[in-house]
Amino acid sequence: EVHLVESGGGLVQPGGSLRLSCAASGFTFSDHYMDWVRLAPGKGLQWIARIAHKPNIYTTQYAASVRGRFTISRDDSKQSLYLQMNNLKTEDTAVYFCVRSATEYHFDFWGQGTLVTVAS
Amino acid sequence: DIQMTQSPSTLSASVGDRVTITCRASQSMPGWLAWYQQKPGKAPKLLIYKASSLESGVPSRFSGSGSGTEFTLTISSLQPDDFATYYCQQYNTYPITFGQGTKLEIK
Repeated sequence: EVHLVESGGGLVQPGGSLRLSCAASGFTFSDHYMDWVRLAPGKGLQWIARIAHKPNIYTTQYAASVRGRFTISRDDSKQSLYLQMNNLKTEDTAVYFCVRSATEYHFDFWGQGTLVTVAS
Repeated sequence: DIQMTQSPSTLSASVGDRVTITCRASQSMPGWLAWYQQKPGKAPKLLIYKASSLESGVPSRFSGSGSGTEFTLTISSLQPDDFATYYCQQYNTYPITFGQGTKLEIK
């Protein structure tokens, strides 16, 4: 059974940094693209980053709102996905979901999410 | 960026009703469109991908259709478990974008 478990969320001041982790199990992690999606309070889902698998040389893509501040990475040997978030802003407050991309690139499994609160 | 606009934003319906949610893309795109269901405090759940393919394990009362710029999600006979928020998503081009969501409420 596929499991994605996020960790690392919490309260951080504006301008601060946080690193989210996602532990994957139940599937061959290295075969899949992986993504981060967030849900801000009172708003809709927002895709923020994707990392390809090794055959596609771990190519990354970002939403404009986080490019240059957030970095997505993965460690296939640990079946783990990461999101390094720097220079955090109050508008980054959201639940962050780790998501598996299916072979046809839609999102077929989601973690339960981790809450990031950016406030002074 | 491809903007996805869902309508309606809120929908009130009763158990047994047939409901349709529409998603319009700001530009024509191939059918790389998915629909997700989300309940409060829970992770989104994939319902439909490639515009009309039903995800394994999803009840057959859910169906998707459409092409170009207009796509629809239909629930043929609403069940109590279906009251939730629904999102469309295009994954044809970067950035991947979602509609703003449709909240399906009990009438």
